[in-house]
Amino acid sequence: GAGVSQSPSNKVTEKGKDVELRCDPISGHTALYWYRQSLGQGLEFLIYFQGNSAPDKSGLPSDRFSAERTGGSVSTLTIQRTQQEDSAVYLCASSLDSPGLTEAFFGQGTRLTVV
Amino acid sequence: GDSVTQMEGPVTLSEEAFLTINCTYTATGYPSLFWYVQYPGEGLQLLLKATKADDKGSNKGFEATYRKETTSFHLEKGSVQVSDSAVYFCALSVSNNNDMRFGAGTRLTVKP
Repeated sequence: GAGVSQSPSNKVTEKGKDVELRCDPISGHTALYWYRQSLGQGLEFLIYFQGNSAPDKSGLPSDRFSAERTGGSVSTLTIQRTQQEDSAVYLCASSLDSPGLTEAFFGQGTRLTVV
Repeated sequence: GDSVTQMEGPVTLSEEAFLTINCTYTATGYPSLFWYVQYPGEGLQLLLKATKADDKGSNKGFEATYRKETTSFHLEKGSVQVSDSAVYFCALSVSNNNDMRFGAGTRLTVKP
């Protein structure tokens, strides 16, 4: 596609429910990143994929969070048993290769509200 | 771990004023440094970058110089415009990790 696509754009869920967020990166981009942006806060690194592998999962806030990437393309971020503190905008970005060499492009984000 | 620290906002300036947003970094390797900008209602986009010491990144009148001796990458613009109102994020990427770490962001508001 033309850009990084995230879905849904908005999600309201009840506390305790599971949610799945999707990121469709730019075609051919091997690197994919997930970040969380809470109200008034900066970007919190969650996880990074190179191809289908995630060399660094240290940013995932708890074992309720998991992410996968299949076929070196689409990625899903799953939050189990959502809590109110999970409410945030979840951003996905992709880059052709190393971000030191090529620009990272961001999606518009998924705004998650846990009520 | 690798991280960036940038000056807290919000920053409010009058049009044509000089802008500086400070950014310092901590990295175990040799990072590439970036400034990303998020305009109201839009996604983050790359503003400029520098990949090695003493490099200067520039775009849209903004500049930042990679200073290894002070581990800094301060963003500057000589004359800001109302259209520069946005949130600015400093970021780094270390080659052996290839992930990107962002600062907390600095909200800039430029008043006419």
